[in-house]
Amino acid sequence: GENVEQHPSTLSVQEGDSAVIKCTYSDSASNYFPWYKQELGKRPQLIIDIRSNVGEKKDQRIAVTLNKTAKHFSLHITETQPEDSAVYFCAARANQFYFGTGTSLTVIP
Amino acid sequence: NAGVTQTPKFQVLKTGQSMTLQCAQDMNHEYMSWYRQDPGMGLRLIHYSVGAGITDQGEVPNGYNVSRSTTEDFPLRLLSAAPSQTSVYFCASSRTDGSYEQYFGPGTRLTVT
Repeated sequence: GENVEQHPSTLSVQEGDSAVIKCTYSDSASNYFPWYKQELGKRPQLIIDIRSNVGEKKDQRIAVTLNKTAKHFSLHITETQPEDSAVYFCAARANQFYFGTGTSLTVIP
Repeated sequence: NAGVTQTPKFQVLKTGQSMTLQCAQDMNHEYMSWYRQDPGMGLRLIHYSVGAGITDQGEVPNGYNVSRSTTEDFPLRLLSAAPSQTSVYFCASSRTDGSYEQYFGPGTRLTVT
């Protein structure tokens, strides 16, 4: 089955700096790669996603890049704000979803 | 639309008890799934369904049963609860026609003593 690895597990950045989270996957059949943000005690919320036929997607301060050949994808958050502090999960979908183990992001004011 | 709903929000069970976690969605989504979330381990898939009458096992199915008699409902049954099943359980749904965005329910926090 699919194996999704996510790094780093924790990340601290100063407000205004950029944050990058990286994921790798193993199943070449995976064709959809979402990123979720989860605040303490809440459900995961989709923040951005990318399909296998696209290399990059951007939504305001958030961007995702996908390298199908290397089987890795990354989340980029620019101009970070304290409200970006949360746990972020990547996932890959073939016929079912597989999740990374999460990155706890802290933005220091 | 209520989206994805789950009941109960919290539950405490004794070892050996059984119970059913309820999940319902009103978006006519074909795909529904159950995850458990444990600290440091992300979300792990328990069971999933691609439509009424069709279910399949995920990564961690042991100790859990599911059925899908309608498009809307996807209950998760714990047959004989064990302390290792203490976790937060999320139900999710999505379409299967190329729009794969998953919508999550609010979660059920289960403690087995």
